[in-house]
Amino acid sequence: NAGVTQTPKFQVLKTGQSMTLQCAQDMNHEYMSWYRQDPGMGLRLIHYSVGAGITDQGEVPNGYNVSRSTTEDFPLRLLSAAPSQTSVYFCASRTDPGPSEQYFGPGTRLTVT
Amino acid sequence: GENVEQHPSTLSVQEGDSAVIKCTYSDSASNYFPWYKQELGKGPQLIIDIRSNVGEKKDQRIAVTLNKTAKHFSLHITETQPEDSAVYFCAASLSGGSNYKLTFGKGTLLTVNP
Repeated sequence: NAGVTQTPKFQVLKTGQSMTLQCAQDMNHEYMSWYRQDPGMGLRLIHYSVGAGITDQGEVPNGYNVSRSTTEDFPLRLLSAAPSQTSVYFCASRTDPGPSEQYFGPGTRLTVT
Repeated sequence: GENVEQHPSTLSVQEGDSAVIKCTYSDSASNYFPWYKQELGKGPQLIIDIRSNVGEKKDQRIAVTLNKTAKHFSLHITETQPEDSAVYFCAASLSGGSNYKLTFGKGTLLTVNP
């Protein structure tokens, strides 16, 4: 049971490039979410999904797209990278939509130059 | 929306001492308050949580207290050890099915000096 996995661990992009951050979980969790973590800002919710085919925006969704075609995978796409998107990105999942433990992946450190 | 304030931003204690981290929240309807520990280079991990129908919860050296009237909750770590050194985040949420979202505090860097 690998839990929540994220790839890549590190990525450097140039302004304007696009990329996809991968997230997968093997716990059969319905609820998945993406956060970004910036120094002194805590964790901020980007997008979330309550099940395959259902996604919604979080607190800071601009510049990011998501889709959920399977229960296991929840990729995050950066359409045109900007320096303001330099951050550490965490994917998380939990078993149900109500208040319960969230399991976080190890994170992807993204630098946009 | 919900706003969570966390203090202090950094905390340094000697091994064996106690550490206390405090959070306040703005929305009186919030009813779930977890605490996460993040070690260097890793994702956050839940260490304890409390729901609004409980005033205090303990798990070995860790305890959380909740004061709903004052809208604040605190993490208490007793007999601190070097492995307790990490960033700690509090969070608050409203329940409500698919609208359940966590709002995190900005974190406290705890350093336990041997």
